[in-house]
Amino acid sequence: AQTVTQSQPEMSVQEAETVTLSCTYDTSESDYYLFWYKQPPSRQMILVIRQEAYKQQNATENRFSVNFQKAAKSFSLKISDSQLGDAAMYFCAYHNALFGKGTSLLVTP
Amino acid sequence: DAGVIQSPRHEVTEMGQEVTLRCKPISGHNSLFWYRQTMMRGLELLIYFNNNVPIDDSGMPEDRFSAKMPNASFSTLKIQPSEPRDSAVYFCASSSGSSYNEQFFGPGTRLTVL
Repeated sequence: AQTVTQSQPEMSVQEAETVTLSCTYDTSESDYYLFWYKQPPSRQMILVIRQEAYKQQNATENRFSVNFQKAAKSFSLKISDSQLGDAAMYFCAYHNALFGKGTSLLVTP
Repeated sequence: DAGVIQSPRHEVTEMGQEVTLRCKPISGHNSLFWYRQTMMRGLELLIYFNNNVPIDDSGMPEDRFSAKMPNASFSTLKIQPSEPRDSAVYFCASSSGSSYNEQFFGPGTRLTVL
């Protein structure tokens, strides 16, 4: 069965610095999609970035990028130039069906 | 577009009562998802519809839960009878195309069963 693990319940970063959130997964499939979602205190879930497993190039969306290591089944999210508005829960997801427990990101001024 | 609309935003009910949660997906989207979020279990996919047809309901916890999508613009999630352990935030999301595309989430319904 597939699993998604986020091993960091909480992370903290200073404004303007870079932070990396970890996610590992397990699957026997060769083609799949991975997602990072952001959930701010408003509770609204927002897509941050998506990665297709058959694409070797890491996805990038402005200040957000991923480090996708297919062999290691690792899918980490890097946030560059962190902003106060980045403070939220971040969820890693497999196929939009299986979500990790989340990482709470605190951004300090 | 107004985005995915869910109602009610908050629901408080007593154990044993029937609860109906409603969702209006984004116009033109043909996939709809119901999720449940709790502190203990995180975010769980309950059921996934494509073109109004249930594709995967393996996440529906038990027979007390049922979901329908009578047309492309409306879906319901019903719990009958409700129990305190059903207390959670229930999200509806929609997307165009397959379940692998970007999902747009509604604001969620916070359900409290006393």
